[in-house]
Amino acid sequence: GAVVSQHPSWVICKSGTSVKIECRSLDFQATTMFWYRQFPKQSLMLMATSNEGSKATYEQGVEKDKFLINHASLTLSTLTVTSAHPEDSSFYICSAVGHMGGYTFGSGTRLTVV
Amino acid sequence: DAKTTQPTSMDCAEGRAANLPCNHSTISGNEYVYWYRQIHSQGPQYIIHGLKNNETNEMASLIITEDRKSSTLILPHATLRDTAVYYCIVRVGGGSNYKLTFGKGTLLTVNP
Repeated sequence: GAVVSQHPSWVICKSGTSVKIECRSLDFQATTMFWYRQFPKQSLMLMATSNEGSKATYEQGVEKDKFLINHASLTLSTLTVTSAHPEDSSFYICSAVGHMGGYTFGSGTRLTVV
Repeated sequence: DAKTTQPTSMDCAEGRAANLPCNHSTISGNEYVYWYRQIHSQGPQYIIHGLKNNETNEMASLIITEDRKSSTLILPHATLRDTAVYYCIVRVGGGSNYKLTFGKGTLLTVNP
């Protein structure tokens, strides 16, 4: 079946630094990928929609200059959290959509900003 | 996409069937019912989806009422590993630009 690899699975960074999270579709091409954020004991919140070769579409309230998304190929999307602060600590999850419309999620990245 | 309502939590005994209800009274004719689950600290996992007919796969069965305003996900023989948050989502089917919007889901706890 479709597999999405997300890397790293966890990361600790210092406040003010930037962190890049990768999302790869391993055995299928994904023209669209989604990025979600999940705080403890809460549901997944959609941050942005990433389309290969074009600019990402951000949900209301998500700062596009802080959460940089690049979808340079049909198998890779990256999310960079710039100038991270403790309030950015969260569980970040990506989802890739195959040509049949099925959604496959990555295993998530636990970001802790200290 | 139509809004869904699910119970906050449910308990089930190991080996018994787990029946998880979902209310989607404002569902449109072209919207599908999807079920995902999320085991703690992992990404969501697809379970099953349907439009109006009942569906069954190796993981679960999906029963959709005739008026499509509600559905039930059935795990026929729950195991401890089925403990997770189960999300019922309705959305327009097909295409790659239809985002999945997650509600709060149901925390299913399978007890030994």
